[in-house]
Amino acid sequence: GAVVSQHPSWVICKSGTSVKIECRSLDFQATTMFWYRQFPKQSLMLMATSNEGSKATYEQGVEKDKFLINHASLTLSTLTVTSAHPEDSSFYICSARDLSADGETQYFGPGTRLLVL
Amino acid sequence: GQSLEQPSEVTAVEGAIVQINCTYQTSGFYGLSWYQQHDGGAPTFLSYNALDGLEETGRFSSFLSRSDSYGYLLLQELQMKDSASYFCAVQPSGNTPLVFGKGTRLSVIA
Repeated sequence: GAVVSQHPSWVICKSGTSVKIECRSLDFQATTMFWYRQFPKQSLMLMATSNEGSKATYEQGVEKDKFLINHASLTLSTLTVTSAHPEDSSFYICSARDLSADGETQYFGPGTRLLVL
Repeated sequence: GQSLEQPSEVTAVEGAIVQINCTYQTSGFYGLSWYQQHDGGAPTFLSYNALDGLEETGRFSSFLSRSDSYGYLLLQELQMKDSASYFCAVQPSGNTPLVFGKGTRLSVIA
């Protein structure tokens, strides 16, 4: 199956700093990637849909100025958590579909665990 | 709105069979997926059903009834390593993102 990578896997930062998370599709091109957030023992909640070459589509309740998404190429999307606060501590996971293959399976990156002190 | 219902916890004995049910109410339906997630890890794809019926992949099978808005994941010959959370997820349409259920935590005991 298709491979999606994320970097970094772990981030610990001070409150007020910004953190950038990269999501890459390694062996396929992804015009669309999805960003999810997961709190402990809860389900995955979609934050936004990242579209290559255009603005991201944010889900209701997600602040677009706080969670900046850039999808500059067909294999890379970045999520920047600006002015992070402890309540932003969570597991952030990106995913993408390989539309050149079955196009039905959504493949997930390994996730980035963010801890804001 | 979109909602998916699945049991929050299931416990089963090693070697046994367990079925995790999922019912859904979504604005559209393109397919039902199942994902496994171990503690601290990311979801990994298990199966996908777009049409009614049973799909079998090794020890795991998934079933879908579109008329009943219902599906299930069947795990056979349970092993301790199958202890994880299992999520059903619906793709409402085309290239839209998956909507996830709240997950079922499966504990396999000896």
